Amino acid sequence: EVQLVESGGDLVQPGGSLRLSCAASGFTFSSYSMHWVRQAPGKGLEYVSAINPNGDITYYANSVKGRFTISRDNSKNTLSLQMGSLRPEDMAVYYCARDTASPGWDIDVWGKGTTVTVSS
Amino acid sequence: QSALTQPASVSGSPGQSITISCTGTSSDVGGYNYVSWYQQHPGKAPKLMIYDVTNRPSGVSDRFSGSKSGNTASLTISGLQAEDEADYYCSSYTSRSIGVFGGGTKLTVL
Repeated sequence: EVQLVESGGDLVQPGGSLRLSCAASGFTFSSYSMHWVRQAPGKGLEYVSAINPNGDITYYANSVKGRFTISRDNSKNTLSLQMGSLRPEDMAVYYCARDTASPGWDIDVWGKGTTVTVSS
Repeated sequence: QSALTQPASVSGSPGQSITISCTGTSSDVGGYNYVSWYQQHPGKAPKLMIYDVTNRPSGVSDRFSGSKSGNTASLTISGLQAEDEADYYCSSYTSRSIGVFGGGTKLTVL
């Protein structure tokens, strides 16, 4: 079964740091681009960051550029998101997601999400 | 990157058809045949319903169909069922080689 399981969400103070992880299973992880997508409470979806299959091309939303770092370990089938200088507006459910083989940005597999709360 | 424009809400009765629009620009929706649609039930992760404007993933009901005209893409759900009540999001590839979501549409089945 194709599966993505996120972990690492927590309550953190403004200005703090957090590292999210995503364990992939059931597919050849190294063949797919991967995404982090977030959803603030009661709000819509937002692409946060993306990484290509071998990890040498990354994307960041303007809202997180310079504060977040995406990485992957294809030997461990793991995707990570290092989050720094966290702000209240970063509070959201963060989804790990798999891109399809289509050239466009289509996501065919989603994790259940992990919740990041930024509050003092 | 500005979000694509979707109506905040649509509604329909069981058995009817509804259409949700997704308006962008020539730099996203109008410029590429890479529009996808996602269904999200409360408290759940999104689910891919349509990709590349018109394609349905395996397992998605053929009651769901997608189309595009100019800078506007559309998702049509025919034979509306109670289980279709959910939030729907469109997404498009853009000229910046990234994706952008629409603001989401809440579908109510009356």
